[in-house]
Amino acid sequence: QSALTQPVSVSGSPGQLITISCTGSSTDIRHFNYVSWYQQHPGKAPKLIISEVKNRPSGVSNRFSASKSGHTASLIISGLQAEDEADYYCSSYTSTSTLIVFGGGTRVTVL
Amino acid sequence: QVHLVESGGGVVQPGRSLRLSCSASGFTFNTYAMHWVRQAPGRGLEWVTLISFDGNNKYYADSVKGRFTISRDNSKNTLYLHMNTLTTDDTALYYCARDKKGSGWSAFDYWGQGTLVTVSS
Repeated sequence: QSALTQPVSVSGSPGQLITISCTGSSTDIRHFNYVSWYQQHPGKAPKLIISEVKNRPSGVSNRFSASKSGHTASLIISGLQAEDEADYYCSSYTSTSTLIVFGGGTRVTVL
Repeated sequence: QVHLVESGGGVVQPGRSLRLSCSASGFTFNTYAMHWVRQAPGRGLEWVTLISFDGNNKYYADSVKGRFTISRDNSKNTLYLHMNTLTTDDTALYYCARDKKGSGWSAFDYWGQGTLVTVSS
């Protein structure tokens, strides 16, 4: 059982906007701005797409954006494309004895 | 460009030990914190351990505390993970990942391709 809760799957048609939620608690997302998001294609290493809640690294498509409200972080993918089909993981710093926690991952399917 | 290459994985019996290595290139290794993150087959990501840029600060997930030890040799641009008393629950692909910062944690901005550890009798 992961410390952060993500939907198992989200799907959308090409061109649509989808949102992936990441729900934590008062020990992680609510109190820290160290929330990041990773994209992982099958058989590949994860890739950073969002850091510090909403910062997009150089080279990452501006179709990816993110935000945080309370103890929930969200990743938004706009203009959904076939190449966006992958697993997405959120991560956060936590004040518990385990320093960093991940969500269980969300499989994005492009219909 | 940043390049991280893990090695040392393999099949090991429960209770035995293994040492993983991660060779880094393309950046100033001794100014970045480094992590190990693992992924069990068909499962999600799990953070394992973090070491600061100078090796003075180390942090571990509860699941490996007391069994795993992270270290680094900045003269060799290499990160290590010493794993003792391995159990079947440690079976996973182990990734080496760079932190955006020198100490503490920000995000994992570069990842290696991983090395597979299989614990089985």
